[in-house]
Amino acid sequence: EAQVTQNPRYLITVTGKKLTVTCSQNMNHEYMSWYRQDPGLGLRQIYYSMNVEVTDKGDVPEGYKVSRKEKRNFPLILESPSPNQTSLYFCASSRTGAPISYGYTFGSGTRLTVV
Amino acid sequence: GQSLEQPSEVTAVEGAIVQINCTYQTSGFYGLSWYQQHDGGAPTFLSYNGLDGLEETGRFSSFLSRSDSYGYLLLQELQMKDSASYFCAVRDSNYQLIWGAGTKLIIKP
Repeated sequence: EAQVTQNPRYLITVTGKKLTVTCSQNMNHEYMSWYRQDPGLGLRQIYYSMNVEVTDKGDVPEGYKVSRKEKRNFPLILESPSPNQTSLYFCASSRTGAPISYGYTFGSGTRLTVV
Repeated sequence: GQSLEQPSEVTAVEGAIVQINCTYQTSGFYGLSWYQQHDGGAPTFLSYNGLDGLEETGRFSSFLSRSDSYGYLLLQELQMKDSASYFCAVRDSNYQLIWGAGTKLIIKP
């Protein structure tokens, strides 16, 4: 089944403790992206990647890191999480470099709480 | 700045027709998309309009007028399972998607 797999689904952590949210897709998509979703703010892009070893900042990159060493994986790293990073996170991928025409496939989401 | 405006909430009756509007102001325009998201779930791609006019997919249709910087999603024969949030998104000149804040569709029996 074609899908984007995120782990974990739920995570509660403490301020300052490094964490990684994994994202993997099995569709051979070039384009991958991370979003956070907060009530009333819609989806805000954190980082995106057009292909292996190519990453770029989105609208809200502060406090996050990413890497794209393999085509299928795009982990999101929070080096020192803070409570304002409490949010619902989505990973998404797309078949081509023109994601809008083909649409994104989203992972199931990771609900992160930083206390 | 870049922005997409859509109503925060729309209420309709089961079996009826509802229209969700989206107006945009972006640096460049390369198409309008619509996504559906149920509570607690992931957004799913519904439709794409690159040119002016109406695109139909079953009970859902999407319309675009580039001269008016405006589009809408039309849902017909509403079912309770259509209760969800609907997001419009525009690709801008930087090749990225700009998202609206979403419209919560409430369907009453």
